[in-house]
Amino acid sequence: GAGVSQSPRYKVTKRGQDVALRCDPISGHVSLYWYRQALGQGPEFLTYFNYEAQQDKSGLPNDRFSAERPEGSISTLTIQRTEQRDSAMYRCASSRGQGGHEQYFGPGTRLTVT
Amino acid sequence: AQKITQTQPGMFVQEKEAVTLDCTYDTSDQSYGLFWYKQPSSGEMIFLIYQGSYDEQNATEGRYSLNFQKARKSANLVISASQLGDSAMYFCAMREPRGGTALIFGKGTTLSVSS
Repeated sequence: GAGVSQSPRYKVTKRGQDVALRCDPISGHVSLYWYRQALGQGPEFLTYFNYEAQQDKSGLPNDRFSAERPEGSISTLTIQRTEQRDSAMYRCASSRGQGGHEQYFGPGTRLTVT
Repeated sequence: AQKITQTQPGMFVQEKEAVTLDCTYDTSDQSYGLFWYKQPSSGEMIFLIYQGSYDEQNATEGRYSLNFQKARKSANLVISASQLGDSAMYFCAMREPRGGTALIFGKGTTLSVSS
């Protein structure tokens, strides 16, 4: 079946612009996660949803970052007033549920802020 | 303090040889999960293997096995009979109950398999 999809795959934006990154999880997966991965590093947790409820947003670096999952399926991560330090790979993952072991990752969105 | 430590930035192995990628972790919880993911140069993150802290047997998935030593807090990945396609970055990760269900990743180990 279809895996986790993310769009766009690449995004180049100018400093100060807002960007919206989209994640479409595996059908039926209850839990959805956003991570950020710097080059040569492991992913770092940003936020997590169970159905449409944002259960944990402790990893969001500041209030320019927000995420939503209004219907419990597709999620959007929004970064307002982007800064160069926001440049990274943004990854989405989904799992069957809170007790589900594996998190399946999408291909990521490479964000470059110039 | 780092929760997941991968001390080997790079490992080199020849085809058909076995290789062990090290991972140590730090937690005060009794219940936790340990994961290994593979990230090839294409950038995708591929789930390989999972070990629960209460699992008595070491996890195995095909050529992958997890050498779980709870007292030492280590969860090393063993790849038997390496193949050229195993060349990739490998990440160890942990999930703690107090941390919800998010994964905490190590910095990764780059594995290079040569013919």
